[in-house]
Amino acid sequence: AQSVTQLDSHVSVSEGTPVLLRCNYSSSYSPSLFWYVQHPNKGLQLLLKYTSAATLVKGINGFEAEFKKSETSFHLTKPSAHMSDAAEYFCVVSENDYKLSFGAGTTVTVRA
Amino acid sequence: NAGVTQTPKFQVLKTGQSMTLQCAQDMNHEYMSWYRQDPGMGLRLIHYSVGAGITDQGEVPNGYNVSRSTTEDFPLRLLSAAPSQTSVYFCASRLGLAGGTDTQYFGPGTRLTVL
Repeated sequence: AQSVTQLDSHVSVSEGTPVLLRCNYSSSYSPSLFWYVQHPNKGLQLLLKYTSAATLVKGINGFEAEFKKSETSFHLTKPSAHMSDAAEYFCVVSENDYKLSFGAGTTVTVRA
Repeated sequence: NAGVTQTPKFQVLKTGQSMTLQCAQDMNHEYMSWYRQDPGMGLRLIHYSVGAGITDQGEVPNGYNVSRSTTEDFPLRLLSAAPSQTSVYFCASRLGLAGGTDTQYFGPGTRLTVL
């Protein structure tokens, strides 16, 4: 069985400061891991994905995530937040061809 | 490419009414799925399809039916709407590569309210 826990339901940062969104997963196999972003009233957009290649994954808009198997974590970071980063972020795990498991989401607020 | 399209964007139903949420994709993707999004619960899989004529249940299939007569279309039917089905519904598609590593593309969503 697979599951995902996003450790923070809400993160608030100042513009220009780092962003850290935490995600832990449980999986019986070697999973694929994804981060998706959802802007208000929009669909979900892929930020980045880990598929057993490099453990440090770079995504769009300056985001990156590091896969740590020993800690079963896949935290998302960005060095400098921008106002346009205000959105909801989902950590997602996939063990097989058919099923994705979504975390509950982290809402990011960016203060001017 | 239009990507994944969904209609309608908004819908209000009365308890007991039926309706169909439409989903189409023009990327020739084999795998399509329906999710519902509720506050604090992320997205939960309702039904999915791995190709025309093949469908299967996800985590929360009760009260919903699907069919897949073509590669492009994957409609979701609510048989008898209940207030518990008030949610935002997302359709998604992906190419269908082995191992679940390929990117999933999401439609813009349908916001459904059942009174």
